[in-house]
Amino acid sequence: DAGVIQSPRHEVTEMGQEVTLRCKPISGHNSLFWYRQTMMRGLELLIYFNNNVPIDDSGMPEDRFSAKMPNASFSTLKIQPSEPRDSAVYFCASSFQGRATEAFFGQGTRLTVV
Amino acid sequence: KQEVTQIPAALSVPEGENLVLNCSFTDSAIYNLQWFRQDPGKGLTSLLLIQSSQREQTSGRLNASLDKSSGRSTLYIAASQPGDSATYLCAVTGSGNTPLVFGKGTRLSVIA
Repeated sequence: DAGVIQSPRHEVTEMGQEVTLRCKPISGHNSLFWYRQTMMRGLELLIYFNNNVPIDDSGMPEDRFSAKMPNASFSTLKIQPSEPRDSAVYFCASSFQGRATEAFFGQGTRLTVV
Repeated sequence: KQEVTQIPAALSVPEGENLVLNCSFTDSAIYNLQWFRQDPGKGLTSLLLIQSSQREQTSGRLNASLDKSSGRSTLYIAASQPGDSATYLCAVTGSGNTPLVFGKGTRLSVIA
């Protein structure tokens, strides 16, 4: 398996623009997590899905952030409108419920909002 | 609310030394604990997973231990090498598929 695949790897956008980050989890995994990493705050959970259903989005910082998982093999995280303080690395991770629940991470998307 | 702390925040050792990284968590009702490695500008690589019923896991030169009752875990690295230089992150999960809660990591530098 290719692992968790995120795109794009890097994104530079202007303040106010819409940004969409994409994630393909490992095939067969049924839990998906979106994290944000900054120097100041470390890794923070934004939202997670079990069986394509959002379970907890309390970590989503504002209404400008939204996430969807239309099927088991694809998820998006959208920021609209983007702001400079959204600049961070965004990670997607997946795991399989019922086993050791070991989580696997993608390579991340480095977002810069100017 | 679960909180995970890693001490020290940074560590520099000469090549060949054995070293221990520490992780503590406030709520002992965990399901498992996972150690990750992160290289600069890269994603997280899973190193070891310890389930709550286990006391330790080993992989090559790495050994992770878990003392759930005291809320502690250690990652032991034997015979350190420059290639071990990275940030090491500890994370715990409360049950089956609840999300991992991360510490801020220990940045390790192994000097040749």
